[in-house]
Amino acid sequence: NAGVTQTPKFQVLKTGQSMTLQCAQDMNHNSMYWYRQDPGMGLRLIYYSASEGTTDKGEVPNGYNVSRLNKREFSLRLESAAPSQTSVYFCASRKGGGSLLGNEQFFGPGTRLTVL
Amino acid sequence: GIQVEQSPPDLILQEGANSTLRCNFSDSVNNLQWFHQNPWGQLINLFYIPSGTKQNGRLSATTVATERYSLLYISSSQTTDSGVYFCAALLGSARQLTFGSGTQLTVLP
Repeated sequence: NAGVTQTPKFQVLKTGQSMTLQCAQDMNHNSMYWYRQDPGMGLRLIYYSASEGTTDKGEVPNGYNVSRLNKREFSLRLESAAPSQTSVYFCASRKGGGSLLGNEQFFGPGTRLTVL
Repeated sequence: GIQVEQSPPDLILQEGANSTLRCNFSDSVNNLQWFHQNPWGQLINLFYIPSGTKQNGRLSATTVATERYSLLYISSSQTTDSGVYFCAALLGSARQLTFGSGTQLTVLP
């Protein structure tokens, strides 16, 4: 089991460029999440997908779009990157789904994004 | 609103010392996890502990859901324990984890 994988590991963009961050999990989890972490700060939720076919906004969704491509994959797109989006982006997954009873959440290794 | 508060925010220890990190939360808990973010930025799962006590080597954790807190104990600390420790909880009817702001632990040789 690879767990949660993310690509790329590092990326540098110029202001206004677009890109898609990829995330995949092989644990048959229902729920997937995208977070950002700014220097010296905790994690803030951007978007999440409680189950295949659904997506919902988190705390900081502006400037981002997501796609739950299938049960395994959840991508995050920046349409027009801005310097304020310089951050480390983490994907996570959890068995979750329809049940409100929690299950352990696992994180990917992160993507370090710099927008010039 | 729903809150998860961690204390202390910063902790500096000498190698070999013991420590206790605290996490208070504001609602009934369905899931509580402790994570270690190492100096390379990786988030490592330490414990999934919505209630009770668990131990893993030098680390142990206790959650008292009725009193709305969880504790992480680190015994005989090592320099490799340095990093940020996050508590995260699935509270009330929420569908996503609420993270605390973390405890920055530095273990000196």
